[in-house]
Amino acid sequence: GAGVSQSPRYKVAKRGQDVALRCDPISGHVSLFWYQQALGQGPEFLTYFQNEAQLDKSGLPSDRFFAERPEGSVSTLKIQRTQQEDSAVYLCASSLTTGGEQPQHFGDGTRLSIL
Amino acid sequence: GESVGLHLPTLSVQEGDNSIINCAYSNSASDYFIWYKQESGKGPQFIIDIRSNMDKRQGQRVTVLLNKTVKHLSLQIAATQPGDSAVYFCAEAGDNFNKFYFGSGTKLNVKP
Repeated sequence: GAGVSQSPRYKVAKRGQDVALRCDPISGHVSLFWYQQALGQGPEFLTYFQNEAQLDKSGLPSDRFFAERPEGSVSTLKIQRTQQEDSAVYLCASSLTTGGEQPQHFGDGTRLSIL
Repeated sequence: GESVGLHLPTLSVQEGDNSIINCAYSNSASDYFIWYKQESGKGPQFIIDIRSNMDKRQGQRVTVLLNKTVKHLSLQIAATQPGDSAVYFCAEAGDNFNKFYFGSGTKLNVKP
């Protein structure tokens, strides 16, 4: 498809397990963003990639959260030793270039539930 | 960090009426703003954007107004339709457009 694709769409894990969430951005898009969206809230910034370089990870809540984009296309958000407060929708967005007025194209997210 | 907030969590309008959704922001240095629409189970969808050197921008049935004096944004939807029912977010660009700050959203209900 032509849009941002995220998988899985739903993920249920037990507290303490590790999870990995995948994002396939639009082909050729340089910028990639991860956001966390709690129920009834707006998305909150987690981290930003320009190609394979992670330029901003100031929004990652703890060192249990790790993101990578090794080849500058697909990205993975990993959460280690999950906790109940990690339950949220994780959104990925991409944009064509860096900086400037670039609308972000969002995927439909991964809904993560920690039991 | 920046704070982007909305005045009303829920707005109900009659089909065919105009809708106005408001948003306040706190960073007077912000340069770029976006309105998104989010339907249930979907990611945010870009509606319209505006730079700080403008005070108004129009799209198809939508208009965004920016008042930098009071740090206020609004989204106007003309002739609101049932398909406009969704949650609307304003977002503010920060740090050289490397991150965006979202408000908590306004839910728009369109009554037939």
